[in-house]
Amino acid sequence: AQSVSQHNHHVILSEAASLELGCNYSYGGTVNLFWYVQYPGQHLQLLLKYFSGDPLVKGIKGFEAEFIKSKFSFNLRKPSVQWSDTAEYFCAVNAKGGGNKLTFGTGTQLKVEL
Amino acid sequence: GAGVSQSPSNKVTEKGKDVELRCDPISGHTALYWYRQSLGQGLEFLIYFQGNSAPDKSGLPSDRFSAERTGGSVSTLTIQRTQQEDSAVYLCASSSTGTGATGELFFGEGSRLTVL
Repeated sequence: AQSVSQHNHHVILSEAASLELGCNYSYGGTVNLFWYVQYPGQHLQLLLKYFSGDPLVKGIKGFEAEFIKSKFSFNLRKPSVQWSDTAEYFCAVNAKGGGNKLTFGTGTQLKVEL
Repeated sequence: GAGVSQSPSNKVTEKGKDVELRCDPISGHTALYWYRQSLGQGLEFLIYFQGNSAPDKSGLPSDRFSAERTGGSVSTLTIQRTQQEDSAVYLCASSSTGTGATGELFFGEGSRLTVL
């Protein structure tokens, strides 16, 4: 069965700092990878996804993530965070050929201070 | 509707009572999911419906939990004899499948359940 680990549970940054949130998955086969974001008081929404091709994927609001197959990782990055990036971030994995069932990590709460 | 709709948005109940949570997915989406979000626990998969196939119930935590999806659209999650540990936000999501499917889930706002 697939599983996802997010090692950073709470991250506090100042505006303009760089961000990297870790995500590791456990699954022996081919996967699709996702980052979802939940802003305060809002529903979960897709930030970016990786299906195939270029392992560096770009999403909305300047976020990007790099799939490193050898490390089973899909870390989320942003060069310069803004106060409005304060949210909870969830990494998720889906086994290809396994339907659309997503397994989520426990989430990382990011707080960006002015 | 434009998005996934869930009701009620908030439900407070007494221990031992039954509750029903409703989800109305995006029109045309064949896949429907229920997740549970507890503080510090992330999103816990509960059940997954895909078209007319038998649902994947592997995430239901006990036999007090059940879900159905009528007519391939609206779904109801039922929790019988609620316990305090059932307190959580119950999230519904839907997605399209088939050729060109993105695998993206579209989530509702959730139903916050509090069991006293």
